[in-house]
Amino acid sequence: EIVLTQSPATLSLSPGERATLSCRASQSVSNHLAWYQQKPGQAPRLLIYDASNRATGIAARFSGSGSGTDFTLTISSLEPEDFAIYFCQQGSSRPLTFGGGTNVEIK
Amino acid sequence: QVQLVESGGGVVQPGRSLRVSCAASGFRFNGYGMHWVRQAPGKGLEWVAVIGHDGTYQNYVDTVKGRFTISRDNFKNTLYLEMNSLSAEDTAVYYCARDLGKGKFFDYWGQGVLVTVSS
Repeated sequence: EIVLTQSPATLSLSPGERATLSCRASQSVSNHLAWYQQKPGQAPRLLIYDASNRATGIAARFSGSGSGTDFTLTISSLEPEDFAIYFCQQGSSRPLTFGGGTNVEIK
Repeated sequence: QVQLVESGGGVVQPGRSLRVSCAASGFRFNGYGMHWVRQAPGKGLEWVAVIGHDGTYQNYVDTVKGRFTISRDNFKNTLYLEMNSLSAEDTAVYYCARDLGKGKFFDYWGQGVLVTVSS
C-alpha cells in the first residue's frame, strides 16, 4: 500500500496570501496524483488530477506540480472560500489511498 | 448536471448487515466506473471499493474484502454497497463517487450517508 504524507498538518494564512501544500508518497506514483478540497459537512471536491490538470470549473489560482514521490498544491492568492481541508490521493496502484490532509485555516 | 444521492444509512448492531444505495442522474451511468469512499467521524478518507462500468470488475480494500460487496443496476442507474459482519470500525460517512477515468480518481461525489455500528 502506498502511504501519502501531507505537510504541514495545519497552515494558518490570511486571505490574499499564497498557500503551498505538500504531499509525499512512500514510493513513486508517477503523475497519478489528485488533490481534493473538503469543507465541513460537505463531500470532497476534485481540484487537480494527474498532478497538474485542473478539474472542470476549478479556478486558475489552484495549481498542482510534481511527479514521482513529491507533489505540491499551490493556491496563488487565498480567497475566503478556500479555507478548508485539502487531501491528496494516489491513483497509481490499488488500494487507492489518501493523505491525512492539510487544514488551511484563517490566521 | 451530475447528481449522486446516497440513502440507506442508519444505526446497525455489530455483526449485522446493511445495504446503502446511490442513485445517479445527469450522466450516462452505464459508461462510468463507480466507487465507494468512506470517512470515519473526524478522520480522513478511505477508498472502499470500485466497480467497472458494466459490473464485471470489482476491487476492494483489504479491510472490507469478503464482508462488503459492491454492485450496480444500470437499468435503475443505482450503485449499491452491501455490508456484512459490520463492526465499530466501519462507522463512517459513506460516499459514492464517479470515476474520472481509468479507475484512478473521483470527479463527482454524493453528499454521503452515515452508517453507525453500535449496540
